[in-house]
Amino acid sequence: GDSVTQMEGPVTLSEEAFLTINCTYTATGYPSLFWYVQYPGEGLQLLLKATKADDKGSNKGFEATYRKETTSFHLEKGSVQVSDSAVYFCALSKVGGGNKLTFGTGTQLKVEL
Amino acid sequence: GAVVSQHPSRVICKSGTSVKIECRSLDFQATTMFWYRQFPKQSLMLMATSNEGSKATYEQGVEKDKFLINHASLTLSTLTVTSAHPEDSSFYICSAPQAYFSQETQYFGPGTRLLVL
Repeated sequence: GDSVTQMEGPVTLSEEAFLTINCTYTATGYPSLFWYVQYPGEGLQLLLKATKADDKGSNKGFEATYRKETTSFHLEKGSVQVSDSAVYFCALSKVGGGNKLTFGTGTQLKVEL
Repeated sequence: GAVVSQHPSRVICKSGTSVKIECRSLDFQATTMFWYRQFPKQSLMLMATSNEGSKATYEQGVEKDKFLINHASLTLSTLTVTSAHPEDSSFYICSAPQAYFSQETQYFGPGTRLLVL
């Protein structure tokens, strides 16, 4: 079946450091790929998405590129802030899949001053 | 963006009792809602799809009689954990999709933490 694999956390960075959170997927067909973020005490929020190969999703300084050849959707940010501290989830859904999302385990990011 | 609420946010109950969790879309209507379960350090696992006006669709391995889902209106879905046992302790999260100009986004509730003693 479909699956998403994320790097384990927690990831601890200093403010202004470069962030990469790896995400790879296994799926038949052509899934859409998502990054969700969960801030403490809040629900998951869509951070960015990409619906086809080579698409780049971006939002709030975060970027991720849909790489079909490596089945990856790594999340990057050039300069993190303390306010980026949260749990980040990579997910996929498929056309005709009824909007069902398959999630990775989540990666906790802690940004320190 | 759209808001989805869950109630309660945290519940502790005795083994054998039933617990009801509500999921509400506050500013939009949702004919479909999704229920997930999350174990510590693990993925969100889809349990079932809640359908307004019809029966829920359960994922493989999820007991229908154990996890009762009712989608009573276009803004409310409930998950009832019947005869709860300690192994049912988990974090339960709901989501509701909202379409906007053909783009659909899933909005998630903040989750309900269930502890069964």
